[in-house]
Amino acid sequence: QVQLVQSGAEVKKPGASVKVSCKASGYTFTGYYMHWVRQAPGQGLEWMGRINPNSGGTNYAQKFQGRVTMTRDTSISTAYMELSRLRSDDTAVYYCARDLNTVTYDYWGQGTLVTVSS
Amino acid sequence: QSALTQPASVSGSPGQSITISCTGTSSDVGGYNYVSWYQQHPGKAPKLMIYDVSNRPSGVSNRFSGSKSGNTASLTISGLQAEDEADYYCSSYTSSSTPYVFGTGTKVTVL
Repeated sequence: QVQLVQSGAEVKKPGASVKVSCKASGYTFTGYYMHWVRQAPGQGLEWMGRINPNSGGTNYAQKFQGRVTMTRDTSISTAYMELSRLRSDDTAVYYCARDLNTVTYDYWGQGTLVTVSS
Repeated sequence: QSALTQPASVSGSPGQSITISCTGTSSDVGGYNYVSWYQQHPGKAPKLMIYDVSNRPSGVSNRFSGSKSGNTASLTISGLQAEDEADYYCSSYTSSSTPYVFGTGTKVTVL
């Protein structure tokens, strides 16, 4: 069965970076784009970007350009999302999601809470 | 790219039907048949309910249906049940520099 398992919660100081992992299993990792979506406390979903696990090609939301980097390691079927220069308003749950087709997120990770606090 | 517009809340009694709207522009909802809907219970990851405007993944109840007219997509829940109480989000592909966008979210309450 398809599973996306994310790394555990993180607490970071403002200005630091965080790297969240998403390990995929149960399907061919390189066959589907992986997207990253975040949700601030009590707020809605926000699309951050996506990576093509086959080529490594990425697309990022304009809001995060220059601060976000998405990578993958095909040998261990894992996608990564690194966000730098963290601010308090980056406090959120970060999700990875497999894209079956265009904007069709059929499987989601369990979410990773990133708390940014001094 | 601004978020798609959804009503903040919609409510209905058990057994009734409700409809949630998702309004965008010709650059997103109106321009492509790439609209999906997600259900999210508190503390849980979102769940895909509808994709490509009106297609239902296997395992999703046929009480959920999707449609689109112009720049507005809609999710209808018929025969409302207590378990349908959750937040719902639409999502669309867009032609902007940020190619994907979510709606503002709608809280569904079963009275």
